Amino acid sequence: LAKTTQPISMDSYEGQEVNITCSHNNIATNDYITWYQQFPSQGPRFIIQGYKTKVTNEVASLFIPADRKSSTLSLPRVSLSDTAVYYCLVGDPNDYKLSFGAGTTVTVRA
Amino acid sequence: DTAVSQTPKYLVTQMGNDKSIKCEQNLGHDTMYWYKQDSKKFLKIMFSYNNKELIINETVPNRFSPKSPDKAHLNLHINSLELGDSAVYFCASSQDGGLSMNTEAFFGQGTRLTVV
Repeated sequence: LAKTTQPISMDSYEGQEVNITCSHNNIATNDYITWYQQFPSQGPRFIIQGYKTKVTNEVASLFIPADRKSSTLSLPRVSLSDTAVYYCLVGDPNDYKLSFGAGTTVTVRA
Repeated sequence: DTAVSQTPKYLVTQMGNDKSIKCEQNLGHDTMYWYKQDSKKFLKIMFSYNNKELIINETVPNRFSPKSPDKAHLNLHINSLELGDSAVYFCASSQDGGLSMNTEAFFGQGTRLTVV
């Protein structure tokens, strides 16, 4: 399993863009990059997934450089309700084991 | 209609007791998981099942025994509860291995277990 490294915490203000970078230097060819969000007292929730280049959905964008050794989750114009822990997961489709690291605690202030 | 439901949501019990947490998913997924989230908020995989077969057992004490009567259910039985078992336990499900293309895992609301 590829090890991931992300910042422990990030602070932001409402309306700003938040970018969280995850390092995964030993990512394997078959690995996908997946991000989850966890609000207090809730289970994690899938946000976005990608393999290479850029992926965008209604919640976030995911930027993956050509070497795939890192990825950046971008949250546009955050609001107070985006305060959560964000996890970067990297793994093989046959892993059957979603390994969550420490995650990045994002705090959005008014 | 809740995709992954766990019961109970809260469980307070004494040391030494035996308890069970139930999990059901109505998504038709093949794979189900149990995770433990401790007070430091680390989410650790405990077990994963695929088509009722145990795939992953992550060095969990054998006081913890998962049981999957069918693909839609994965229950967690815990014997001789200890103080250190206090945590939030999450059940989840996914199609295939969870990190496949266009695959997402769905988590339950969690069961907060407190051992006193």
